[in-house]
Amino acid sequence: SQQGEEDPQALSIQEGENATMNCSYKTSINNLQWYRQNSGRGLVHLILIRSNEREKHSGRLRVTLDTSKKSSSLLITASRAADTASYFCATGENTGGFKTIFGAGTRLFVKA
Amino acid sequence: DTGVSQDPRHKITKRGQNVTFRCDPISEHNRLYWYRQTLGQGPEFLTYFQNEAQLEKSRLLSDRFSAERPKGSFSTLEIQRTEQGDSAMYLCASSFPGPNSPLHFGNGTRLTVT
Repeated sequence: SQQGEEDPQALSIQEGENATMNCSYKTSINNLQWYRQNSGRGLVHLILIRSNEREKHSGRLRVTLDTSKKSSSLLITASRAADTASYFCATGENTGGFKTIFGAGTRLFVKA
Repeated sequence: DTGVSQDPRHKITKRGQNVTFRCDPISEHNRLYWYRQTLGQGPEFLTYFQNEAQLEKSRLLSDRFSAERPKGSFSTLEIQRTEQGDSAMYLCASSFPGPNSPLHFGNGTRLTVT
């Protein structure tokens, strides 16, 4: 089953613009993570935000978490063609186990 | 850190055959996960191990699927009597223990059942 739902499903922007992706989830979580996947490859971890944190930065990435609304957003600033990939949010469940459950992803295309 | 290694990268098999995939996690990681990903979708959780113990299995993991992690090192995922619906990318990931440890993925094994 997939818990996170990303919005939009696809996003096409020009190089230099900012890209914002949103994620909603359903259950109690320990953390929320964002991953990137280039075509035909495995996923690469980008950033993890814990349930007691509200915002986190890493380079050109900014993640926010609103546990009251069960939602998160990923902002990529000054996008580059190399940022073209699929982006997935994933929730670390707080149900006694340590599963990480992924959403269906946002496909980002950055035009040079 | 040599990363998570999966073998083979691609597997084409005929319906009804058995297949086995291997995953070698990052050596310091004691958690190992298997996911399945179909085109245009996110990874679906199949199962995970802590050391050699298989702690959870998804309902997606039918009786035809079995995973092992002998001695808490590498893991194998076997699919018996493959069906066309089993065609997917099978991803392995590993992590440190703890509730806030990110997953490190291999590049996956792409299975095509003809």
